[in-house]
Amino acid sequence: RKEVEQDPGPFNVPEGATVAFNCTYSNSASQSFFWYRQDCRKEPKLLMSVYSSGNEDGRFTAQLNRASQYISLLIRDSKLSDSATYLCVAPSGGYNKLIFGAGTRLAVHP
Amino acid sequence: NAGVTQTPKFQVLKTGQSMTLQCAQDMNHEYMSWYRQDPGMGLRLIHYSVGAGITDQGEVPNGYNVSRSTTEDFPLRLLSAAPSQTSVYFCASSDRQGGNEKLFFGSGTQLSVL
Repeated sequence: RKEVEQDPGPFNVPEGATVAFNCTYSNSASQSFFWYRQDCRKEPKLLMSVYSSGNEDGRFTAQLNRASQYISLLIRDSKLSDSATYLCVAPSGGYNKLIFGAGTRLAVHP
Repeated sequence: NAGVTQTPKFQVLKTGQSMTLQCAQDMNHEYMSWYRQDPGMGLRLIHYSVGAGITDQGEVPNGYNVSRSTTEDFPLRLLSAAPSQTSVYFCASSDRQGGNEKLFFGSGTQLSVL
Protein backbone atom coordinates (compact mmCIF):
# COMPACT_ATOMS: atom_id res chain seq x y z
CA ARG A 1 0.00 0.00 0.00
CA LYS A 2 1.25 3.49 -0.85
CA GLU A 3 1.80 5.85 2.05
CA VAL A 4 -0.49 8.46 0.53
CA GLU A 5 -3.27 7.51 -1.87
CA GLN A 6 -5.66 9.63 -3.87
CA ASP A 7 -8.37 9.01 -6.43
CA PRO A 8 -6.73 10.17 -9.70
CA GLY A 9 -10.03 11.38 -11.19
CA PRO A 10 -10.59 13.25 -13.36
CA PHE A 11 -13.46 14.99 -11.66
CA ASN A 12 -15.42 16.86 -14.32
CA VAL A 13 -17.78 19.38 -12.74
CA PRO A 14 -19.74 22.43 -13.95
CA GLU A 15 -19.01 25.91 -12.70
CA GLY A 16 -20.66 26.54 -9.36
CA ALA A 17 -20.58 22.91 -8.27
CA THR A 18 -19.25 21.62 -4.98
CA VAL A 19 -16.62 18.93 -5.25
CA ALA A 20 -14.74 16.93 -2.63
CA PHE A 21 -11.55 14.91 -2.78
CA ASN A 22 -10.31 12.38 -0.27
CA CYS A 23 -6.79 11.29 0.50
CA THR A 24 -5.81 8.33 2.69
CA TYR A 25 -2.52 8.04 4.55
CA SER A 26 -0.86 5.07 6.22
CA ASN A 27 1.38 6.67 8.86
CA SER A 28 -0.88 7.00 11.91
CA ALA A 29 1.76 9.11 13.68
CA SER A 30 1.48 11.95 11.13
CA GLN A 31 0.26 15.16 12.73
CA SER A 32 -0.06 17.66 9.91
CA PHE A 33 -1.04 17.37 6.29
CA PHE A 34 -1.14 19.57 3.24
CA TRP A 35 -2.94 20.14 -0.01
CA TYR A 36 -0.94 21.46 -2.95
CA ARG A 37 -2.24 22.63 -6.28
CA GLN A 38 -0.38 21.94 -9.51
CA ASP A 39 -1.22 23.47 -12.84
CA CYS A 40 -0.18 21.68 -16.01
CA ARG A 41 3.61 21.57 -16.38
CA LYS A 42 4.09 23.94 -13.45
CA GLU A 43 5.54 23.52 -10.01
CA PRO A 44 3.20 22.61 -7.11
CA LYS A 45 2.09 25.41 -4.81
CA LEU A 46 0.72 25.15 -1.29
CA LEU A 47 -3.06 25.47 -1.16
CA MET A 48 -3.81 24.65 2.47
CA SER A 49 -2.39 23.10 5.58
CA VAL A 50 -4.57 20.62 7.47
CA TYR A 51 -4.34 20.29 11.21
CA SER A 52 -6.51 18.45 13.70
CA SER A 53 -9.14 21.19 13.76
CA GLY A 54 -9.38 21.39 9.98
CA ASN A 55 -8.92 24.54 7.98
CA GLU A 56 -11.09 26.84 5.89
CA ASP A 57 -9.99 29.47 3.41
CA GLY A 58 -12.72 31.08 1.39
CA ARG A 59 -14.28 28.45 -0.87
CA PHE A 60 -11.84 25.77 0.29
CA THR A 61 -12.24 23.58 3.37
CA ALA A 62 -9.87 20.85 4.48
CA GLN A 63 -10.72 18.28 7.13
CA LEU A 64 -8.79 15.58 8.91
CA ASN A 65 -10.29 12.25 10.06
CA ARG A 66 -7.70 10.53 12.22
CA ALA A 67 -9.81 7.49 13.03
CA SER A 68 -10.11 6.58 9.36
CA GLN A 69 -6.77 8.13 8.40
CA TYR A 70 -7.93 10.36 5.63
CA ILE A 71 -8.01 14.03 4.81
CA SER A 72 -10.48 15.75 2.55
CA LEU A 73 -10.61 18.88 0.45
CA LEU A 74 -13.94 20.52 -0.30
CA ILE A 75 -14.24 23.17 -2.99
CA ARG A 76 -17.48 25.16 -3.08
CA ASP A 77 -18.76 27.26 -5.98
CA SER A 78 -16.17 25.87 -8.40
CA LYS A 79 -14.53 28.28 -10.83
CA LEU A 80 -12.95 27.57 -14.20
CA SER A 81 -9.67 28.66 -12.62
CA ASP A 82 -9.90 25.81 -10.09
CA SER A 83 -9.07 23.34 -12.88
CA ALA A 84 -5.79 21.76 -11.81
CA THR A 85 -4.33 18.71 -10.12
CA TYR A 86 -4.64 18.63 -6.33
CA LEU A 87 -1.88 16.86 -4.45
CA CYS A 88 -2.19 15.51 -0.94
CA VAL A 89 0.95 15.53 1.21
CA ALA A 90 1.75 13.73 4.46
CA PRO A 91 4.98 13.51 6.46
CA SER A 92 6.70 10.19 6.93
CA GLY A 93 9.51 9.11 9.17
CA GLY A 94 9.51 12.04 11.57
CA TYR A 95 8.51 14.95 9.35
CA ASN A 96 11.65 15.07 7.26
CA LYS A 97 10.10 13.09 4.44
CA LEU A 98 7.12 14.77 2.84
CA ILE A 99 5.30 12.20 0.72
CA PHE A 100 3.01 13.26 -2.09
CA GLY A 101 -0.02 11.43 -3.36
CA ALA A 102 -0.34 10.91 -7.11
CA GLY A 103 -2.83 13.75 -7.35
CA THR A 104 -6.50 14.22 -8.23
CA ARG A 105 -7.29 16.03 -11.44
CA LEU A 106 -10.17 18.51 -11.44
CA ALA A 107 -11.70 19.92 -14.62
CA VAL A 108 -14.31 22.65 -14.21
CA HIS A 109 -16.35 23.36 -17.33
CA PRO A 110 -18.73 26.22 -18.21
CA ASN B 1 13.87 37.62 -4.35
CA ALA B 2 14.51 34.72 -6.74
CA GLY B 3 13.25 31.91 -4.44
CA VAL B 4 14.30 28.47 -5.71
CA THR B 5 16.26 28.39 -8.95
CA GLN B 6 16.79 25.22 -10.94
CA THR B 7 19.05 24.77 -13.94
CA PRO B 8 18.88 23.62 -16.63
CA LYS B 9 15.19 23.72 -17.60
CA PHE B 10 15.63 21.04 -20.25
CA GLN B 11 18.29 18.39 -20.78
CA VAL B 12 18.75 15.44 -23.11
CA LEU B 13 21.27 12.76 -22.17
CA LYS B 14 22.45 9.54 -23.66
CA THR B 15 22.37 6.37 -21.59
CA GLY B 16 25.45 6.18 -19.39
CA GLN B 17 26.20 9.89 -19.35
CA SER B 18 26.47 11.75 -16.07
CA MET B 19 25.22 15.19 -15.20
CA THR B 20 24.34 17.47 -12.31
CA LEU B 21 21.03 19.27 -11.84
CA GLN B 22 21.58 22.50 -9.99
CA CYS B 23 19.33 23.92 -7.29
CA ALA B 24 19.86 27.12 -5.35
CA GLN B 25 17.65 29.04 -2.92
CA ASP B 26 18.12 32.50 -1.49
CA MET B 27 15.65 32.26 1.41
CA ASN B 28 18.12 30.82 3.95
CA HIS B 29 16.04 27.66 4.22
CA GLU B 30 17.56 24.76 6.13
CA TYR B 31 15.47 22.08 4.43
CA MET B 32 15.91 21.20 0.76
CA SER B 33 14.71 18.25 -1.24
CA TRP B 34 14.56 16.73 -4.71
CA TYR B 35 11.49 15.12 -6.25
CA ARG B 36 10.84 13.46 -9.57
CA GLN B 37 7.44 13.48 -11.21
CA ASP B 38 6.29 10.86 -13.67
CA PRO B 39 2.86 10.65 -15.32
CA GLY B 40 0.27 9.16 -12.99
CA MET B 41 2.72 8.79 -10.11
CA GLY B 42 2.77 12.19 -8.49
CA LEU B 43 5.98 13.49 -6.95
CA ARG B 44 8.40 10.98 -5.45
CA LEU B 45 11.07 12.05 -2.99
CA ILE B 46 14.63 11.28 -4.12
CA HIS B 47 16.85 12.85 -1.45
CA TYR B 48 16.49 15.53 1.15
CA SER B 49 18.68 17.63 3.43
CA VAL B 50 17.90 19.25 6.78
CA GLY B 51 20.99 21.47 6.73
CA ALA B 52 24.48 21.92 5.37
CA GLY B 53 26.43 18.67 5.59
CA ILE B 54 23.33 16.54 6.26
CA THR B 55 21.56 14.51 3.59
CA ASP B 56 19.30 11.47 3.61
CA GLN B 57 17.49 9.18 1.21
CA GLY B 58 13.90 9.53 0.17
CA GLU B 59 11.59 7.06 -1.57
CA VAL B 60 13.58 6.54 -4.79
CA PRO B 61 17.29 7.34 -4.17
CA ASN B 62 18.94 4.73 -6.40
CA GLY B 63 20.98 6.19 -9.24
CA TYR B 64 21.20 9.65 -7.66
CA ASN B 65 23.72 11.36 -5.39
CA VAL B 66 23.43 14.62 -3.48
CA SER B 67 25.61 16.81 -1.32
CA ARG B 68 24.94 19.93 0.73
CA SER B 69 28.09 21.95 1.26
CA THR B 70 26.25 25.25 1.72
CA THR B 71 22.79 26.28 2.91
CA GLU B 72 22.00 27.73 -0.51
CA ASP B 73 22.88 24.87 -2.88
CA PHE B 74 21.65 21.30 -3.21
CA PRO B 75 22.82 19.70 -6.47
CA LEU B 76 21.49 16.36 -7.71
CA ARG B 77 23.92 14.10 -9.57
CA LEU B 78 23.03 11.37 -11.99
CA LEU B 79 26.04 9.09 -12.08
CA SER B 80 25.12 6.98 -15.12
CA ALA B 81 21.87 8.06 -16.71
CA ALA B 82 19.28 5.43 -17.62
CA PRO B 83 16.07 5.76 -19.66
CA SER B 84 14.11 5.07 -16.44
CA GLN B 85 15.39 8.42 -15.15
CA THR B 86 13.49 10.31 -17.83
CA SER B 87 11.27 12.54 -15.75
CA VAL B 88 10.55 16.05 -14.53
CA TYR B 89 12.69 16.94 -11.54
CA PHE B 90 11.68 19.49 -8.92
CA CYS B 91 13.81 20.97 -6.20
CA ALA B 92 12.08 22.38 -3.12
CA SER B 93 13.03 24.18 0.07
CA SER B 94 11.36 25.03 3.36
CA ASP B 95 12.31 26.86 6.52
CA ARG B 96 10.76 24.05 8.61
CA GLN B 97 10.39 26.33 11.62
CA GLY B 98 7.45 26.13 13.99
CA GLY B 99 5.90 23.35 12.02
CA ASN B 100 5.86 25.42 8.86
CA GLU B 101 5.95 22.82 6.14
CA LYS B 102 5.36 25.07 3.18
CA LEU B 103 7.57 23.88 0.36
CA PHE B 104 8.80 26.38 -2.20
CA PHE B 105 9.45 24.67 -5.52
CA GLY B 106 11.70 25.50 -8.39
CA SER B 107 10.22 25.56 -11.88
CA GLY B 108 11.48 22.08 -12.71
CA THR B 109 13.93 20.36 -15.05
CA GLN B 110 12.64 18.21 -17.89
CA LEU B 111 15.18 15.41 -18.39
CA SER B 112 15.13 12.92 -21.24
CA VAL B 113 17.53 9.98 -21.34
CA LEU B 114 17.83 8.27 -24.71
